[in-house]
Amino acid sequence: DTAVSQTPKYLVTQMGNDKSIKCEQNLGHDTMYWYKQDSKKFLKIMFSYNNKELIINETVPNRFSPKSPDKAHLNLHINSLELGDSAVYFCASSPEPWDAEAFFGQGTRLTVV
Amino acid sequence: KNEVEQSPQNLTAQEGEFITINCSYSVGISALHWLQQHPGGGIVSLFMLSSGKKKHGRLIATINIQEKHSSLHITASHPRDSAVYICAAAPQGGKLIFGQGTELSVKP
Repeated sequence: DTAVSQTPKYLVTQMGNDKSIKCEQNLGHDTMYWYKQDSKKFLKIMFSYNNKELIINETVPNRFSPKSPDKAHLNLHINSLELGDSAVYFCASSPEPWDAEAFFGQGTRLTVV
Repeated sequence: KNEVEQSPQNLTAQEGEFITINCSYSVGISALHWLQQHPGGGIVSLFMLSSGKKKHGRLIATINIQEKHSSLHITASHPRDSAVYICAAAPQGGKLIFGQGTELSVKP
């Protein structure tokens, strides 16, 4: 029974399209995150939600919009996809923000062509 | 210069060897995380520690808060330990700051 699940695992799409990545956690955690891992494997925080409220929005283009319908879900919608958006996107959750152990999803490899 | 630096960036070892990966950070923290990313891409949290030492199976993590340094040790390494190991510093109330990762390859 997967603790943090992301869908899809792979996503190939053309420039200019709009796409969404879904994330769900069944751990009862209050905090969820979206991270981007670039080609050099460097992880960077994009967004963090605590109890459905946005607490971190790191200089991410407006084309990226997170949506948290409830504490267990944090979806990432991307408009007008660009080549530079190609990366692996990880969802994660933790009981509380930051200084608590985080559980990661399996990642979504997005390729924009 | 990154606030969290790992060394080495790449490491090749023979099966059975004792392995050490180092992590130095320049910020004040409330905790430090060690993560493992397998070739398939998934990330697993190995340890979260704020002082002393933690052990899980063949993995040991230590931290020295005064020296702002943490190490991850793997005893009796095995090819299945091959992965990228990432340390992440958690400043008090702040977002995680990740190191660049250490790519470990253990040869049979």
